[in-house]
Amino acid sequence: GAGVSQSPSNKVTEKGKDVELRCDPISGHTALYWYRQSLGQGLEFLIYFQGNSAPDKSGLPSDRFSAERTGGSVSTLTIQRTQQEDSAVYLCASSPPSYETQYFGPGTRLLVL
Amino acid sequence: QKEVEQNSGPLSVPEGAIASLNCTYSDRVSQSFFWYRQYSGKSPELIMSIYSNGDKEDGRFTAQLNKASQYVSLLIRDSQPSDSATYLCAADHLPGTASKLTFGTGTRLQVTL
Repeated sequence: GAGVSQSPSNKVTEKGKDVELRCDPISGHTALYWYRQSLGQGLEFLIYFQGNSAPDKSGLPSDRFSAERTGGSVSTLTIQRTQQEDSAVYLCASSPPSYETQYFGPGTRLLVL
Repeated sequence: QKEVEQNSGPLSVPEGAIASLNCTYSDRVSQSFFWYRQYSGKSPELIMSIYSNGDKEDGRFTAQLNKASQYVSLLIRDSQPSDSATYLCAADHLPGTASKLTFGTGTRLQVTL
């Protein structure tokens, strides 16, 4: 079956611009997560959506970062006024209702010049 | 202090040997533990999960958990060059779930011919 998909796969932007990253979770998965992975680093939790509950935004590094999930499916991560330190791979993951694991998408590689 | 700690490596083992990957965690309430494999430029994929003290075997992989020592390990028997990757350890506060994972920075494994 189809896995988690993300778009774009690569994004180059200029400092100060806004960017939107998209995630399509696996059909039927109720939980959706966003992570950030900088070069040579582990995964940094950003935000977690579970069904219709209020999202857990505890990992968002600043108010320039926001995310929404429409219709319990597709999610968009928005970074406003991008900075060079925002350059990283942004990974999306989804989990089925059993939460036995998280399935990761291929990631979006963001480069802020 | 990071919640989940791993030696970044690289850990180099010859083909056919046993690779031993280690992880410690600081939060005693952690209940569930996961090992993910991440090939260079790819997204993480689940290798093993373990929730109870002791060993859990799956093919060439064995996960070991010692909650008293707050220690998790992954053994890879008969290591193959295709096992060369970064191995991420992750922990969750809830039992039997991957609902909100805290990841270590990963250990890079190199299996040499």
